Amino acid sequence: SQQGEEDPQALSIQEGENATMNCSYKTSINNLQWYRQNSGRGLVHLILIRSNEREKHSGRLRVTLDTSKKSSSLLITASRAADTASYFCATDGGDAGGTSYGKLTFGQGTILTVHP
Amino acid sequence: SAVISQKPSRDICQRGTSLTIQCQVDSQVTMMFWYRQQPGQSLTLIATANQGSEATYESGFVIDKFPISRPNLTFSTLTVSNMSPEDSSIYLCSVYSGTSGYEQYFGPGTRLTVT
Repeated sequence: SQQGEEDPQALSIQEGENATMNCSYKTSINNLQWYRQNSGRGLVHLILIRSNEREKHSGRLRVTLDTSKKSSSLLITASRAADTASYFCATDGGDAGGTSYGKLTFGQGTILTVHP
Repeated sequence: SAVISQKPSRDICQRGTSLTIQCQVDSQVTMMFWYRQQPGQSLTLIATANQGSEATYESGFVIDKFPISRPNLTFSTLTVSNMSPEDSSIYLCSVYSGTSGYEQYFGPGTRLTVT
């Protein structure tokens, strides 16, 4: 079964506004990764945050991780129309050599629409 | 990060037939993964393909339906056998890459429609 739950399912904002998406998961993780998918095409890797990290930045992206609450958030600042896409979180529960290594469990995704 | 290509990018197939999807990586990788994304849904892992050993399938997926080959460290194929309309999905391969070794990168996907 899917481990991750994301909210909101859909988010509609104006260009220049910030967009925040949340992800919750159920079991312990090694890391959590965020992806973007445009119109059912391939996934673009955005950022990875490890279980011992609390916050990470990459350009206009800010990711937080709270392992005590088993939740993560993705913040996109100063959004652009080109940010319109589906965003997925994915948890990786394994360490190298372990049986769960590399097996990502995806959330249901958030559809972000940024209006120009 | 690794550059991953898939062939075909899309196909329309008749029920009862089979389709083989190819995944090529521009560098040698130990583990390759195959995922399925059904229409409007998230991604689900089908199997893990290691070179030199049989693929490991996740619950709900079987080798007879989704045979996988991994002849070398840069290439893998996934076959969708005896297709039905329920197999209509995007199929994606992925590999580990990146600086930490844990980032997983995906190919562009193969969009399959079964009529």
